[in-house]
This record gives sequence, C-alpha cells and structure tokens, in this order.
Amino acid sequence: AQKVTQAQTEISVVEKEDVTLDCVYETRDTTYYLFWYKQPPSGELVFLIRRNSFDEQNEISGRYSWNFQKSTSSFNFTITASQVVDSAVYFCALSEVLFSGGGADGLTFGKGTHLIIQP
Amino acid sequence: EPEVTQTPSHQVTQMGQEVILRCVPISNHLYFYWYRQILGQKVEFLVSFYNNEISEKSEIFDDQFSVERPDGSNFTLKIRSTKLEDSAMYFCASIRKTTSGPTGELFFGEGSRLTVL
Repeated sequence: AQKVTQAQTEISVVEKEDVTLDCVYETRDTTYYLFWYKQPPSGELVFLIRRNSFDEQNEISGRYSWNFQKSTSSFNFTITASQVVDSAVYFCALSEVLFSGGGADGLTFGKGTHLIIQP
Repeated sequence: EPEVTQTPSHQVTQMGQEVILRCVPISNHLYFYWYRQILGQKVEFLVSFYNNEISEKSEIFDDQFSVERPDGSNFTLKIRSTKLEDSAMYFCASIRKTTSGPTGELFFGEGSRLTVL
C-alpha cells in the first residue's frame, strides 16, 4: 500500500526566508508519480508539479524548487524568498498509475503542511 | 485555459437527504475522480471512473455513494442518505489520456462544500 508522510504539520516563517517542506513516501511500485498541490485559504487545489519516478532530476520554477531523492524516498519542496501569498496548505501526493486495462489509481495525499508566511 | 467546473459551490442539507454534486471535467479528459476533504484534514480518494464504469473505489465509497456520467459531459456524485460525517469539501478531478495511458496529472475543480445538519 502507498503512503505519504508530511511530518511538518505547520511551519511559520518571516517573509523572505527560505522554507523547505518535507515529503516522504512509501510505495512498492517501481513506476509512480509524485505531486505537490497548494491549497490557499479559498480552498481550491492548485497543481504545482508532477515528478515521474524514473526522472530524478531536480526542478526549479521561479522561487520554487523540488528535490527528489529515490534513495531516501523523499520529494521535498523549497520556497526561496518566501512571500505572504505563499501562505497556504501544501499537499504532497503519490500516484501508482496502472496502465493495464486503462484503469488509474487515485492519488494518495499526505496530511498537508500549513505554511504561514508572516510579513 | 480549460478547467474542471463543479456545482454547487456550497450545499447545506438535512441528515438523511439525498445530495447530487455535479462536475464537468475537461472535455478531452477520459479519467474522472472524486476526492473528499473533511475540514482541516487531508484529501482522500473516493472513486475513479473510466469508460463509463468505476475503476477503483476506496473504503469510504460505500453503498451510500454512487457516480454517474449521464450525458457525456457531466460527472455526478450522489450521496443517497447523507450523514453528519459526510460534511466535507468534495473535489472532482480529471486526467488526460495519452497513447501510453493516463498522464498522472490531475486537474481539480474548485470543490463543492457539503454541510450536513
């Protein structure tokens, strides 16, 4: 069975600080997808990134960067020079996508990390 | 940019009543999902739907729940007899399909908040 652990329930930092959100996952599949979603106070889920299990390259998108390490089953998310608008709950998620018969497993989400950026 | 749309945004109902939550997935998407998020908790998978039938369902998705794609565009979640613990935000999502299968990138709607009194 798959599992996603976000050990940090809440993180509070002052604006412009860098912050890293941790994500550790468990899966028995060799092919899987990892995701990060942002949930602002308005409640919607905003897709941030998808990473395939066979692609361990780290990725940077503006102030956001992701560090995928299969050896430690981790997919950590760093926000550089944080801003108040980054305040949200961030969810890490895992999908073990099946290709047989066209079916697809749903995402397994972590419990989320509530990030508070103080001005 | 195409998006998944959900209605209603908020519904209040009495315990025991039937509720239907509606979703319009992105038009070229072929895999559809419902997720639930009880207030302050993590997002939980309910059910996936492909080729007009359920592909997977979680333990949460018991006999009180059903899904349907009645007209080729809408994707509905019905709760037959609501309970207090059904109060949650319900998210619809869809995935595009490529020649090698689903892409794995879920597009979520903005959610429907259900309050059961």
